[in-house]
Amino acid sequence: DAKTTQPPSMDCAEGRAANLPCNHSTISGNEYVYWYRQIHSQGPQYIIHGLKNNETNEMASLIITEDRKSSTLILPHATLRDTAVYYCIVRVANGNEKLTFGTGTRLTIIP
Amino acid sequence: GAVVSQHPSWVICKSGTSVKIECRSLDFQATTMFWYRQFPKQSLMLMATSNEGSKATYEQGVEKDKFLINHASLTLSTLTVTSAHPEDSSFYICSASHSGVLYNEQFFGPGTRLTVL
Repeated sequence: DAKTTQPPSMDCAEGRAANLPCNHSTISGNEYVYWYRQIHSQGPQYIIHGLKNNETNEMASLIITEDRKSSTLILPHATLRDTAVYYCIVRVANGNEKLTFGTGTRLTIIP
Repeated sequence: GAVVSQHPSWVICKSGTSVKIECRSLDFQATTMFWYRQFPKQSLMLMATSNEGSKATYEQGVEKDKFLINHASLTLSTLTVTSAHPEDSSFYICSASHSGVLYNEQFFGPGTRLTVL
C-alpha cells in the first residue's frame, strides 16, 4: 500500500466545516483513497472512499485532486461527536486486502 | 447491515492464563477477517489475516504460537492469547470484509480491551 501523510492534529469549531487533508503522492493507478475514523476506545468506522472523482455520502465529502496525489475529507457541519482520529488509507478496492493504518489526524471539535 | 461484534468487550486476567476473544459478523458472511492490536496513543497494527477454513497469515513479528487464530466459519473468528503477560495488555480489534455487494469495505468490531495483571 502507498503511504499517506496527514497532519497530526486539527481543531474545528462546532458547526463549521472540517477539512482534513491527506497526501498520497505515490498512489498507484488502481488504488483507492479510503477514510476511516476512530472515536476513543471504539473500533474504526468507515467513512467514504473514492478513486478519482469526488464522492459524497451522508457522512462526508471526499475531494481528490486531479493528479490524485492528495485528497481532502470534508465534514460539512462538524459536531462534538465528530471528535476522533481520522485515518486516510490508500489501497486496492478489495475488501480482502489489509488496511495499513498510519498515525492519522486527531480532530477536536470545539464548542 | 454489516455489523461486527466482539466478545468480550473487556477482560482482566492473571499473567500466564489464556484468553479467547470472539469476532462475529452478525448479518453478512465474511470470507476474510483481520485482527489488529492497538496500544495506548498508537495506531492500529495488523496482527494477522484470517481466511475461513485455512490457516491465518501473520504479520512479521507476531508470534503465531502465542496468538492463535481460528476462522472456522464465515461468521466467526477467534483470537486466543496464550500464556498472557502484562505486555500483552492492549486493545484488540477485528474487522471483516464483506463478501457481498459491499466487497470493497471492511467493517470493524468495537474492540476488546485486555488487561493482564
